[in-house]
Amino acid sequence: SAVISQKPSRDICQRGTSLTIQCQVDSQVTMMFWYRQQPGQSLTLIATANQGSEATYESGFVIDKFPISRPNLTFSTLTVSNMSPEDSSIYLCSAVGRYYEQYFGPGTRLTVT
Amino acid sequence: GQQVMQIPQYQHVQEGEDFTTYCNSSTTLSNIQWYKQRPGGHPVFLIQLVKSGEVKKQKRLTFQFGEAKKNSSLHITATQTTDVGTYFCAGMGEAGGTSYGKLTFGQGTILTVHP
Repeated sequence: SAVISQKPSRDICQRGTSLTIQCQVDSQVTMMFWYRQQPGQSLTLIATANQGSEATYESGFVIDKFPISRPNLTFSTLTVSNMSPEDSSIYLCSAVGRYYEQYFGPGTRLTVT
Repeated sequence: GQQVMQIPQYQHVQEGEDFTTYCNSSTTLSNIQWYKQRPGGHPVFLIQLVKSGEVKKQKRLTFQFGEAKKNSSLHITATQTTDVGTYFCAGMGEAGGTSYGKLTFGQGTILTVHP
């Protein structure tokens, strides 16, 4: 299994600003993902973080709003840009294991005021 | 696109009662995975089912994958207060498809256990 850490664990931000969330994996992994989860709701996939190339975004998510970096096989960042209250959510990164199981970070709880 | 439906949304049981959550996919899956999320926590991988008709057990938990590889269930026998949390199924599309490697999560079943 992989151990995932995320920073920050939570933040309160003003609308119009941006926040970058960091995700660190304790081992090299091929695939990493970013999700959004509203409290009490399911997980919605934002994008696949591709190492060495641009992220692949799901329908409804765009690079200008959620730029993602993946400089190596153990690290990724997600930026939430030009934030609005609707962006308040929990953001989770995950790393894919050997058999395509996913290991999740503890999440970043974002509140936009 | 692929959709995964999960029922029930909520389940309240007395400690010692059994619990079952069901998952149904709109498309055939290469595998289905189950995750548990404790209140305030993050999803934790429980198990993966790959074969048609597969049944796996983890202590009091029994997982099944349907013959058509489109539905699955999780059954907990004699629930305990430690079983509290949200149980998610997550389906992966067939190999070679555009969604392979990605998971589509069900809505989750929130389980509460009354002591």
